[in-house]
Amino acid sequence: DAGVTQSPTHLIKTRGQQVTLRCSPKSGHDTVSWYQQALGQGPQFIFQYYEEEERQRGNFPDRFSGHQFPNYSSELNVNALLLGDSALYLCASSLVDRGVAEAFFGQGTRLTVV
Amino acid sequence: DQQVKQNSPSLSVQEGRISILNCDYTNSMFDYFLWYKKYPAEGPTFLISISSIKDKNEDGRFTVFLNKSAKHLSLHIVPSQPGDSAVYFCAASARGGANNLFFGTGTRLTVIP
Repeated sequence: DAGVTQSPTHLIKTRGQQVTLRCSPKSGHDTVSWYQQALGQGPQFIFQYYEEEERQRGNFPDRFSGHQFPNYSSELNVNALLLGDSALYLCASSLVDRGVAEAFFGQGTRLTVV
Repeated sequence: DQQVKQNSPSLSVQEGRISILNCDYTNSMFDYFLWYKKYPAEGPTFLISISSIKDKNEDGRFTVFLNKSAKHLSLHIVPSQPGDSAVYFCAASARGGANNLFFGTGTRLTVIP
């Protein structure tokens, strides 16, 4: 059983560009959450998707947007990249009625903005 | 505003001894707490959790203690093993874990053989 998979594992983008990160949830999971982990910090909640809609959102600007597909996979899009967007982006999947109790994390995508 | 705090960035412990990792929180709405372990180039892995209706939860070598009045929790690892060397994150959630996670900044544990 594949767990949560994220792609790509690393990428480098230029300031001002746009980026799309992808996440496939653990089999059977219906909810996907995205977190940003800056260097030396803990992960910070960006948003959560369930039934193809944004269900919760953390304190992140509108430059951060997402999407969930009918197969429960998800994308995180970041527009007008800033140097401060450089971070590890983590995807977590879970079942909506289990909440965070059984959330599984992917290995993350390391984004570097230059 | 850091609602979950881990004030010790690092901890070194001899193999076989006890490791104690600490965590403080400020939001009284938090009622579900988790510990995650993270190795380099991997995502956080769930370790153990505790609901606010309990003050202790034990799973093998790992025990989490919760002191609600002090808004403090701790993770005890006994006995510590070299494979336990990793970054440990404390996380909290509200509404019985239905909400998103708030993480601390992590404590790097090194278990010395």
